Amino acid sequence: EAQVTQNPRYLITVTGKKLTVTCSQNMNHEYMSWYRQDPGLGLRQIYYSMNVEVTDKGDVPEGYKVSRKEKRNFPLILESPSPNQTSLYFCASSLYRNNSPLHFGNGTRLTVT
Amino acid sequence: EDKVVQSPLSLVVHEGDTVTLNCSYEVTNFRSLLWYKQEKKAPTFLFMLTSSGIEKKSGRLSSILDKKELFSILNITATQTGDSAVYLCAVHSNYKLTFGKGTLLTVNP
Repeated sequence: EAQVTQNPRYLITVTGKKLTVTCSQNMNHEYMSWYRQDPGLGLRQIYYSMNVEVTDKGDVPEGYKVSRKEKRNFPLILESPSPNQTSLYFCASSLYRNNSPLHFGNGTRLTVT
Repeated sequence: EDKVVQSPLSLVVHEGDTVTLNCSYEVTNFRSLLWYKQEKKAPTFLFMLTSSGIEKKSGRLSSILDKKELFSILNITATQTGDSAVYLCAVHSNYKLTFGKGTLLTVNP
């Protein structure tokens, strides 16, 4: 089945403890992206990648890192999480950057205390 | 800065009603406009529109784009309780996909 898989689905952690949220797609998509969704603010892009080894900042990149060593994987890394990074995170992929619909993973709900 | 504005923010209707959701945008180098439905999980793709005046239709849902007036509408006819969700509009420009804040639709039996 064609899908975007994120793990974990839920994560509770403490301030400063490094964490990684994994994202994998099996559709051979070139473009991958991370979003966070917060009440009243909608979906905001954190980072995106147009292809292997090509990543760039979105609207809210501070406090996050990403890497794209293989086409299928695009992990999101929080080196030192803070409470303001408590949010619902979505990974998404599309065939191309423009004019292709994004396919979303099921989300990761992160709580940082 | 690219902007996508959806209205209304929320809407409550009865089963069987017809609803119209609005999306206006201001972006640099418009490429396409997309509609998504989000229940209590990931957004799911509904439509992608690139040309003005051509209606896209899927069952009871339809959408149209006006590139001159910079807006799109999503129509849902004969609403059902299963249509209750947040409907998101997003616009592709040269560099990114910008989302509106969504319209929360509640369909009561």
